[in-house]
Amino acid sequence: AIQMTQSPSSLSASVGDRVTITCRASQGIRNDLGWYQQNPGKAPRLLIYAASSLQSGVPSRFSGSGSGTDFTLTISSLQPEDFATYYCLQDYNYPRTFGQGTKVEIK
Amino acid sequence: EEQLVESGGGLVQPGGSLRLSCAAPGFTFSNFWMIWVRQAPGKGLEWVANINQDGSQKSYLDSVKGRFTISRDNAKNSLYLQMNSLRAEDTAVYYCARDLNYYENRIAYDAFDIWGQGTKVTVSS
Repeated sequence: AIQMTQSPSSLSASVGDRVTITCRASQGIRNDLGWYQQNPGKAPRLLIYAASSLQSGVPSRFSGSGSGTDFTLTISSLQPEDFATYYCLQDYNYPRTFGQGTKVEIK
Repeated sequence: EEQLVESGGGLVQPGGSLRLSCAAPGFTFSNFWMIWVRQAPGKGLEWVANINQDGSQKSYLDSVKGRFTISRDNAKNSLYLQMNSLRAEDTAVYYCARDLNYYENRIAYDAFDIWGQGTKVTVSS
């Protein structure tokens, strides 16, 4: 199975900060990658699919980039509702695999 | 309103069985791939299985192959996960989700846009 490694595992940031989360695949996955946000006790929310396509209704401060093995999720100006855990997910082959998650906490 | 509603979770002994259900009112269920994802207590997300629109294509996480079966009934707008030979490590909140399965340049991309609220499965004696 393809391993997805996110970094950092957690970070502390302030409202208004620019935040970047990276995800590395153990092999090339083209741009077959999505990003999800999860708040405690809640279901995940789709942010990005196909590495860089913004899901309808998701604020434009979220953006994704990358292809092959290295990907990034950027939040251009962190808002209070963005403090959550973020997961990448490869959909290049089966089984689909998530990264271990990155928790974004208030500084 | 497009939504997914899971049911069927609970406490079961190791080696036991459970059947999870996911009802899909509010959208044309038969048009979409569907998935199950789980989350063990304090852990990250884990993809479990998916199924295509007519149920002819299914894929599974290696650790559940031969024990779990994903299925659907389009007439009832429902998705199912039959879980047999349950183990302690299957303890988790199980979510169903809809896959928009976007196509761009002839490539299909997963995009899980609607999720259920989750149903908790505890495997313990």
